[in-house]
Amino acid sequence: DIQLTQSPSFLSASVGDRVTITCRASQGISSYLAWYQEKPGKAPKLLIYAASTLQSGVPSRFSGSGSGTEFTLTISSLQPEDFATYYCQQLNSYPLTFGGGTKVEIK
Amino acid sequence: EVQLVESGGGLVQPGGSLRLSCAASGFIFSDHYMDWVRQAPGKGLEWVGRSRNKANSYTTEYAASVKGRFTISRDDSKNSLFLQMNSLKTEDTAVYYCTRNIAVAGTFYFDYWGQGTLVTVSS
Repeated sequence: DIQLTQSPSFLSASVGDRVTITCRASQGISSYLAWYQEKPGKAPKLLIYAASTLQSGVPSRFSGSGSGTEFTLTISSLQPEDFATYYCQQLNSYPLTFGGGTKVEIK
Repeated sequence: EVQLVESGGGLVQPGGSLRLSCAASGFIFSDHYMDWVRQAPGKGLEWVGRSRNKANSYTTEYAASVKGRFTISRDDSKNSLFLQMNSLKTEDTAVYYCTRNIAVAGTFYFDYWGQGTLVTVSS
């Protein structure tokens, strides 16, 4: 199985900060990676797919990059509605797996 | 508008069975792969399994943790996805989400999620 390791698992940031979350795969997954945002009591929301393609309707302050084994999700200027938990997911091979999550909280 | 509405969750004893349903609307259900994902209380996301579409013979894939106990099926005439869960264990306690997939460059991404239904396995 492909393991995805997210770092950090928790980060505290202020509105306006630039935030970067890393996702490392235990083996190469090309660009078959997605990022999701989850808020308490709500279903996860697709932000980025194919490692760097912004899902329709997602603000342009979100961006993704990487290929192979190392990927990043960047929020260029953190907004109050961005405080949430973020997950990466690999779709290269079965079983599909998720990273452990990164919780972004208000400093 | 795409909508996915799960139902069928509840409290069940270990060893018991439960059948979850996902009612889809707002898109051509028969065209899409559909997946189930779960989230145990306070934990991360775990993929459960996949149903391919008719064009791909409705074949399925499962996580090792549920293979042989869970069965995914669908009824395209009713725009519905199902998850039959047998031999339930306490570790199956989770919110179960139904997801729609979109095909992009050789794989499938989960672009819509339902609100989830809670399954609690406890004596």
